[in-house]
Amino acid sequence: AQTVTQSQPEMSVQEAETVTLSCTYDTSESDYYLFWYKQPPSRQMILVIRQEAYKQQNATENRFSVNFQKAAKSFSLKISDSQLGDAAMYFCAYNFNTDKLIFGTGTRLQVFP
Amino acid sequence: DTEVTQTPKHLVMGMTNKKSLKCEQHMGHRAMYWYKQKAKKPPELMFVYSYEKLSINESVPSRFSPECPNSSLLNLHLHALQPEDSALYLCASSPKEAETRYYGYTFGSGTRLTVV
Repeated sequence: AQTVTQSQPEMSVQEAETVTLSCTYDTSESDYYLFWYKQPPSRQMILVIRQEAYKQQNATENRFSVNFQKAAKSFSLKISDSQLGDAAMYFCAYNFNTDKLIFGTGTRLQVFP
Repeated sequence: DTEVTQTPKHLVMGMTNKKSLKCEQHMGHRAMYWYKQKAKKPPELMFVYSYEKLSINESVPSRFSPECPNSSLLNLHLHALQPEDSALYLCASSPKEAETRYYGYTFGSGTRLTVV
């Protein structure tokens, strides 16, 4: 069965600094997709970044980038130049099959001025 | 329009009440989802609708009854709920069920349900 693990329940970072959130997953598939979602106190889940497993190049979206290590089944999120608005719950998610995302347990990120 | 709109944002209901949650999207997405999320937990899938037909029911109790009247609208009818059903109920959509793997979901901001 596919599982997604986020081992850091909480992380904190100072404004303008860089923070990395960890995610590991377990799958026997070779072609799949990975996602990072952000859920601020407003509750809406927002897609931050996606990675296709067959692409070796790490995805980037402005200040957000991933370190995708397929062999190690690791998919970490790096947030550069952290901003107060980055404070949120971050969920790592996996999709192989067509019908549902499998979410990790989440990491709560606090950003201090 | 790139949003999924959920109403109401907050709902308090008694255990004998009947209420409905509404979800609407006008992005032309053909797959829609209901998720339940408890505090500090990840979302848990409840139902999947694909082309207005129920394709997945994750063994959800019958006191939750989904309905998809058309391709833009998804309802969740609630009846005889228990206090443990109190949670954030999230609606999501994706272009097609088969494209969820690439696009992921677009989520609404949820309905905070409290059962008293």
